[in-house]
Amino acid sequence: EADIYQTPRYLVIGTGKKITLECSQTMGHDKMYWYQQDPGMELHLIHYSYGVNSTEKGDLSSESTVSRIRTEHFPLTLESARPSHTSQYLCASSAYPGQGTYEQYFGPGTRLTVT
Amino acid sequence: AQSVTQPDIHITVSEGASLELRCNYSYGATPYLFWYVQSPGQGLQLLLKYFSGDTLVQGIKGFEAEFKRSQSSFNLRKPSVHWSDAAEYFCAVGGQGQAGTALIFGKGTTLSVSS
Repeated sequence: EADIYQTPRYLVIGTGKKITLECSQTMGHDKMYWYQQDPGMELHLIHYSYGVNSTEKGDLSSESTVSRIRTEHFPLTLESARPSHTSQYLCASSAYPGQGTYEQYFGPGTRLTVT
Repeated sequence: AQSVTQPDIHITVSEGASLELRCNYSYGATPYLFWYVQSPGQGLQLLLKYFSGDTLVQGIKGFEAEFKRSQSSFNLRKPSVHWSDAAEYFCAVGGQGQAGTALIFGKGTTLSVSS
């Protein structure tokens, strides 16, 4: 079944640790995105990718980095976690316009708490 | 500036009653409009979308939305709410632009259903 997977779902980690949030999709989509979501706030785009070896920063400045070595995989890395990074991180994917769909499909999210 | 406004932060509706969630957008080009629903601890699920054509669109779970260009609105409706509809609802707008399929989200409306 085509889907988007995120691991871990929940992560509590100490300040200064390096973390990688995993995102994989079996939708066959070229475009992938990372959003940051805080309670009562809109989703903010922090990174996106058009395809393999393509990564761009989104509207919200983030200290995280991403990579896109494989079409289906779009991990997000924080080199040194801080309490200000505590948030929910949502991964999404979409097809290119003209491929029949335009909407974004979301994974279940990773809730990160940095202590 | 491109933006989405959801005027109602929190709405409580009795089970079986009708529902309307408001969404107003500001977008320079022809908008593509979406409604997503998010249950606690979950990612976003697409309810419905508008690209073109009939301005009244049907979605999943008995939801519908009407695009009114003159009012820059895309309100979500359901004739009879079920307790399982309690969740957070996000309106989003996108279009053909530099980022292609980048979406702008509202801050969301939390729906509570009373028995």
